[in-house]
Amino acid sequence: GQNIDQPTEMTATEGAIVQINCTYQTSGFNGLFWYQQHAGEAPTFLSYNVLDGLEEKGRFSSFLSRSKGYSYLLLKELQMKDSASYLCAARDSNYQLIWGAGTKLIIKP
Amino acid sequence: IAGITQAPTSQILAAGRRMTLRCTQDMRHNAMYWYRQDLGLGLRLIHYSNTAGTTGKGEVPDGYSVSRANTDDFPLTLASAVPSQTSVYFCASSDTYSGANVLTFGAGSRLTVL
Repeated sequence: GQNIDQPTEMTATEGAIVQINCTYQTSGFNGLFWYQQHAGEAPTFLSYNVLDGLEEKGRFSSFLSRSKGYSYLLLKELQMKDSASYLCAARDSNYQLIWGAGTKLIIKP
Repeated sequence: IAGITQAPTSQILAAGRRMTLRCTQDMRHNAMYWYRQDLGLGLRLIHYSNTAGTTGKGEVPDGYSVSRANTDDFPLTLASAVPSQTSVYFCASSDTYSGANVLTFGAGSRLTVL
């Protein structure tokens, strides 16, 4: 079966760094996405990885290892507004997205 | 402002009633999707459309139907609502279904079936 695993909840301190891990099992692989979703709002796109390695975009970076079926999202210089759920999604051979349940990130002052 | 409009924002519905959730996009995106989001679960795809005039079934299509008569509109219909269809429904669109197809989501429709 197809499956995405990510931690349910994480807590971090304002100004610190946090890494949110995601492991995936899909029928074929055509890319890994990260989305941010604030409570009561729609998900918004953060990053896309299709090749192994690190993609950096400002305070956010995303890493992919296809051989390990593993990705992480790295958030630096955490701000209170980063409190949100972070959704990992892998695209399978049929170009359908398989979504994780999301990681709720709580930022404490 | 370019984006996706969903209606209604929220609705309480009696079991057995018919309900249509509306979704309109003004970005001229080819692909559109309907997801449901339930606590503790990932987004689950209900139906999708890769281009106007075509539709496909997602992971959880039973009890739902869609149509794609034109590029902009993608309504989702519950023919006879049941309590298990209580959820938050998100419509999304993307320029294409392959490549780095970034999804743009609507604000969601919260549906409660009693």
